[in-house]
Amino acid sequence: TQLLEQSPQFLSIQEGENLTVYCNSSSVFSSLQWYRQEPGEGPVLLVTVVTGGEVKKLKRLTFQFGDARKDSSLHITAAQPGDTGLYLCADHPPTNTNAGKSTFGDGTTLTVKP
Amino acid sequence: GAVVSQHPSRVICKSGTSVKIECRSLDFQATTMFWYRQFPKQSLMLMATSNEGSKATYEQGVEKDKFLINHASLTLSTLTVTSAHPEDSSFYICSARDPAGENTEAFFGQGTRLTVV
Repeated sequence: TQLLEQSPQFLSIQEGENLTVYCNSSSVFSSLQWYRQEPGEGPVLLVTVVTGGEVKKLKRLTFQFGDARKDSSLHITAAQPGDTGLYLCADHPPTNTNAGKSTFGDGTTLTVKP
Repeated sequence: GAVVSQHPSRVICKSGTSVKIECRSLDFQATTMFWYRQFPKQSLMLMATSNEGSKATYEQGVEKDKFLINHASLTLSTLTVTSAHPEDSSFYICSARDPAGENTEAFFGQGTRLTVV
C-alpha cells in the first residue's frame, strides 16, 4: 500500500514570506497531483507532474518532482492570504491499477496572515 | 478542466432521516466515481468506489447499508446517508476521473457539509 507523507502538517506565516511544503511517497508515483482546498470547498487541481525531475511554475507557485519520482515539493513565493488552505498531494494510478483508487497525503494546512 | 458538480452544498437533517447527495460529471462520462469523507483539517478518506451499472465497492469499515450508492448513469452518482445520526455529520466529497483526460487527473465536486441534529 502506497503511503504519502506531507510535511509540515501545519504552517503559519506572514504575508510576503516564502515557503516550501513537501510530499514523499513510499513508492514511485504513477502521476502526482497537487491540490489546494479551501474550507467548505472541494479540492482544486493545481498541477499534474509525470516526468522525473520536472519543474512546473504556476504564477508564484513552483512545483518540483524528484528524479526518482518518489518525492515532490511545492514552493510559494511571496505568500498572500489568498494562498491559505489545505494543500494535498495525490497519486492517481491508471484505472486498471487498484481500481483507479487515488492515494492522498495527509495535507499541509497553510495559514498566511495579512 | 473537467467539471464535477455536487449538490447540495449544505444540508441539515434530523436524526433518523435520510439524506441524498448527488454528484454529476458535467462535461465527460465517468464510469467510476469516488466518494470521500473528510474531517476538519484532515485529508480525504475514501468511503467507496461507485461503478456505473454495477454495485459500489466499499472500503473496509464503511457500512454499505448505511451509505447507499447508486451510479445509474455515466454522469450521475448518488450517495444516500440512511437513518442519519449526529456522528454522520461531516464533509462529503465526490470525485470523478475523465477517462479521456490527460494523466488521469481526478476532479472533485464542491463538497457537501452534512449536519445531523
